[in-house]
Amino acid sequence: QVQLVQSGSELKKPGASVKVSCQASGYTFTKYSINWVRQAPGQGLEWMGWIHTNTGNPTYAQGFTGRFVFSLDTSISTAYLHISSLKPEDTAMYYCVRFDLKPDSWGQGALVTVSS
Amino acid sequence: EIALTQSPGTLSFSPGERATLSCRTSQKLNSNKLAWYQQKPGQAPRLLIYDASSRATGIPDRFSGSGSGTDFTLTISSLEPEDFAVYFCQHYGTSWAFGQGTKVEIK
Repeated sequence: QVQLVQSGSELKKPGASVKVSCQASGYTFTKYSINWVRQAPGQGLEWMGWIHTNTGNPTYAQGFTGRFVFSLDTSISTAYLHISSLKPEDTAMYYCVRFDLKPDSWGQGALVTVSS
Repeated sequence: EIALTQSPGTLSFSPGERATLSCRTSQKLNSNKLAWYQQKPGQAPRLLIYDASSRATGIPDRFSGSGSGTDFTLTISSLEPEDFAVYFCQHYGTSWAFGQGTKVEIK
């Protein structure tokens, strides 16, 4: 069955960087795009953008340009979210989501906490 | 960009009651690319409905979606104890957008 397994929780200091992984299984990784969604504590869902898993071409939503980078390692069916120059307001759960004509599979989420 | 509005923010029901949740979009959705999710504390969102009215795999038939244009509805025909949660609507066109969520709580 389709599964997206994300890396574990991270505690980082302001100004540091973090890389969240999302490993896919149960399907051909390069056939479906991966989207990223952020959820701050107690808040709603924010779309960050997506990456074309065949070409590696990323598209970033408004507010997620510059410090946020999507990348892939197709040899291990894994998508990555890299966030640099972390700020306390980046504290959130980050989800990867497979898109197959609909957003049908979500990772379990990766909690990133930014605190001094 | 399309904005989605869910109101009210909280609804209170007793188990067994029928719940109707609303989602309004700021622009007409020509392709009905609208989804509904359920989210419980500490869990990822769970896809319930896609394309406005299609039930996702494994979702009980007490959940149904309807609507078109700018007004969409999620109906839970008879609330079970496990249905008390937060529900989000989402548009998934060339960009994505989410509603702010409606919490369904026990009266």
